[in-house]
Amino acid sequence: GESVGLHLPTLSVQEGDNSIINCAYSNSASDYFIWYKQESGKGPQFIIDIRSNMDKRQGQRVTVLLNKTVKHLSLQIAATQPGDSAVYFCAVTNTGNQFYFGTGTSLTVIP
Amino acid sequence: DAGITQSPRHKVTETGTPVTLRCHQTENHRYMYWYRQDPGHGLRLIHYSYGVKDTDKGEVSDGYSVSRSKTEDFLLTLESATSSQTSVYFCAIRTGLADYEQYFGPGTRLTVT
Repeated sequence: GESVGLHLPTLSVQEGDNSIINCAYSNSASDYFIWYKQESGKGPQFIIDIRSNMDKRQGQRVTVLLNKTVKHLSLQIAATQPGDSAVYFCAVTNTGNQFYFGTGTSLTVIP
Repeated sequence: DAGITQSPRHKVTETGTPVTLRCHQTENHRYMYWYRQDPGHGLRLIHYSYGVKDTDKGEVSDGYSVSRSKTEDFLLTLESATSSQTSVYFCAIRTGLADYEQYFGPGTRLTVT
């Protein structure tokens, strides 16, 4: 199996600051990692993914870092905006079928 | 929203009654998934399908069954609902064979009284 945990259940940041959300996983065979954003009352929304053959991937205002040695990944959001307020999950898999999700970090952006 | 709809969006039912939730997609993706989401837990996989009539269990499959008779529909059935099955249920699709991106539907909130 797999165990996925997030380091902080809540995070508050000032608008314009950078946010960092962390995730740890247990299974060294996991080879694909995804970050999702979930707004209240909605389904999770795909943000960015990374495969185990990479250690960094960038999107629009977001960067995912993967450290396979310590089985840790992080999501960095640059210049955080009020619209970024949501719950953020990481998910891991090594098969593309069985996905394991963390419990989520609730990000609050303070104007 | 990747063309995923779920029905019903909300349902209240009594313990012991059967319940069927429907997930419908418009883009003919092969892989479909059912998850439940509960406070204090991450999303947990109930069942998934990798084609018409091809399904497999996830980590929390007890008390649930699924069927997929058409590519576009994936049904989740609670044969005899229990209060522990009160949850928000999400359907998801996977957009490719080598691509593991999942896209989620809007969810169904089920309350078993």
